Amino acid sequence: NAGVTQTPKFQVLKTGQSMTLQCAQDMNHNSMYWYRQDPGMGLRLIYYSASEGTTDKGEVPNGYNVSRLNKREFSLRLESAAPSQTSVYFCASSEANVRNSPLHFGNGTRLTVT
Amino acid sequence: GDSVTQMEGPVTLSEEAFLTINCTYTATGYPSLFWYVQYPGEGLQLLLKATKADDKGSNKGFEATYRKETTSFHLEKGSVQVSDSAVYFCALSDQASGTYKYIFGTGTRLKVLA
Repeated sequence: NAGVTQTPKFQVLKTGQSMTLQCAQDMNHNSMYWYRQDPGMGLRLIYYSASEGTTDKGEVPNGYNVSRLNKREFSLRLESAAPSQTSVYFCASSEANVRNSPLHFGNGTRLTVT
Repeated sequence: GDSVTQMEGPVTLSEEAFLTINCTYTATGYPSLFWYVQYPGEGLQLLLKATKADDKGSNKGFEATYRKETTSFHLEKGSVQVSDSAVYFCALSDQASGTYKYIFGTGTRLKVLA
């Protein structure tokens, strides 16, 4: 029962490098989300996809792009990494973008940008 | 905009002590409320939820009641165990611009001593 799978678990980048964080869910969920977690700031929404074929900006989208590749997969791309993007990134999914539907999280990617 | 405020941590308790973690919220609509728990090195897991006023969510000995009049959703447990040591997040789901957004508090770290 995999749930939400994120790769990689850890990554170190130099300023200006690019990378893609991968996320896949096997629960047939319609909605997927990318969050970043920083000390003292809780979780902040970067981008989300309410349903396959749609993506929208969250609270902190600058410096990121996303792709909803299919219903299962939702990737997050950093085109030119900056030290301010050092964080723990979580992918999450929910059955639908409805009021009562809880989020299911992956185990995170810890990214350090030097 | 919507927001969630939870008590600062860390909270340190002895085993079998009573736990309360305070959470208050502001919302423009009628949100659903959630508590999530994060163990070290893992993603967030849903602990409990409540979807309307006076609902009580409960799971694993934890409880929280949706209080609309005081806009609160405090987490309680009668007797904590060492295994409850984790970070606890209060969250809400509310509609904004046609989609549902999840807003998280900053988290409260709980440490339970044997």
